Amino acid sequence: DIVMTQSPDSLAVSLGERATINCKSSQSVLYTSNNNNYLAWYQQKPGQPPKLLIYWASTRDSGVPDRFSGSGSGTDFTLTISSLQAEDVAVYYCLQYWTSPQTFGQGTKVEIK
Amino acid sequence: QVQLVQSGPEVKKPGASVKLSCKASGYTFTDNGIHWVRQAPGQSLEWMGWINTGNGNAHYSQKFQGRVAITRDTLATTSYMELNSLTSDDTAVYFCTRLKFGDFSWFDPWGQGTLVTVSS
Repeated sequence: DIVMTQSPDSLAVSLGERATINCKSSQSVLYTSNNNNYLAWYQQKPGQPPKLLIYWASTRDSGVPDRFSGSGSGTDFTLTISSLQAEDVAVYYCLQYWTSPQTFGQGTKVEIK
Repeated sequence: QVQLVQSGPEVKKPGASVKLSCKASGYTFTDNGIHWVRQAPGQSLEWMGWINTGNGNAHYSQKFQGRVAITRDTLATTSYMELNSLTSDDTAVYFCTRLKFGDFSWFDPWGQGTLVTVSS
């Protein structure tokens, strides 16, 4: 199975400041034939299901604010919140869908400093 | 709009079985696979298995093989997940989610989740 490792486990950021979350996969999730990275990011708030933010490592889902961006390729990926808002307090997960079983990172909790 | 609505919370005793449902609407049910993912309290998300809603073939995580069964009813546009031989470690929220397309894509949307509590 591909192991997804996120860092840090938690971070506290001031309102309006940048939050950066990293995700590393134990093997590449880049399909060179189509140059797509099979990596998604989700946001989960307490008592709610995960909400899709980003797919193909860098494509924002419809309706997701542009302060959320994804980058990276191969085995190393980053989710950036450019200007943290109060409503962004949540746990964020990366997901690889390159191979079965699909696997998630352990999650990164984002709080307000 | 595409929606997945799951059945209500369950409380079970150790050794029992539980069968959860996930009703899909807003799209052609047989066009997209349905996956089941669980989340123990305070933990990350754990993939359990999925069903090809077109042909009914199900595939399971090695961890749950032999203890889980995922089925579907195309007329009712509903998927079911049955987990047997429950222990306290199975206490979790169980989500169903739709595969966006094909065999390898992201999951979207998700059901609201069903809390299963296993306690004597």
